[in-house]
Amino acid sequence: EPEVTQTPSHQVTQMGQEVILRCVPISNHLYFYWYRQILGQKVEFLVSFYNNEISEKSEIFDDQFSVERPDGSNFTLKIRSTKLEDSAMYFCASSVGQGNQPQHFGDGTRLSIL
Amino acid sequence: GNSVTQMEGPVTLSEEAFLTINCTYTATGYPSLFWYVQYPGEGLQLLLKATKADDKGSNKGFEATYRKETTSFHLEKGSVQVSDSAVYFCALNLPLNTGNQFYFGTGTSLTVIP
Repeated sequence: EPEVTQTPSHQVTQMGQEVILRCVPISNHLYFYWYRQILGQKVEFLVSFYNNEISEKSEIFDDQFSVERPDGSNFTLKIRSTKLEDSAMYFCASSVGQGNQPQHFGDGTRLSIL
Repeated sequence: GNSVTQMEGPVTLSEEAFLTINCTYTATGYPSLFWYVQYPGEGLQLLLKATKADDKGSNKGFEATYRKETTSFHLEKGSVQVSDSAVYFCALNLPLNTGNQFYFGTGTSLTVIP
């Protein structure tokens, strides 16, 4: 069964450094998402992406965050200057459509900011 | 606004016990409802879904019925196994939601002991 893959599984970065989290969505999916889960808290929406542009973003997704689909295969999340509070599990997801279509999640990247 | 409220965990049950995890929602519109499961160290996996009132989603012995009158989508299983130990997330999505983001509950941790 096709799946969403994320790399790396764990990223440790110094505060203030840039970090790029990578995702390969399921190949026939058209909608892409990033979520994050701070330890012990709920899964929070960051951004959705469709037709090569952001369709929605949350308050969390400020100017330090950006997303890109550079080559029709990968879907990346960049954090420009990381802060301690960016430490979380970041999940990529994709779906074939909207509304009642399930989103398929990767295993996540654990980001630790030192 | 849109939100999901789940019962507080953690929940600890003996093998073969009956499981109920409560989930209620608030939504502007007619949402689709989902249960996701997160096994230790893994991402979110779709467990079941229901897209309209009175629909019952089922998978792997788990069931949940979309109750519009009580705005609920409680997860049940008649006889849990040790392998069901995981965190369970209730989520909703709206068909006309521009960003197509899911709204997740806080998750309920289930531990099944032999």
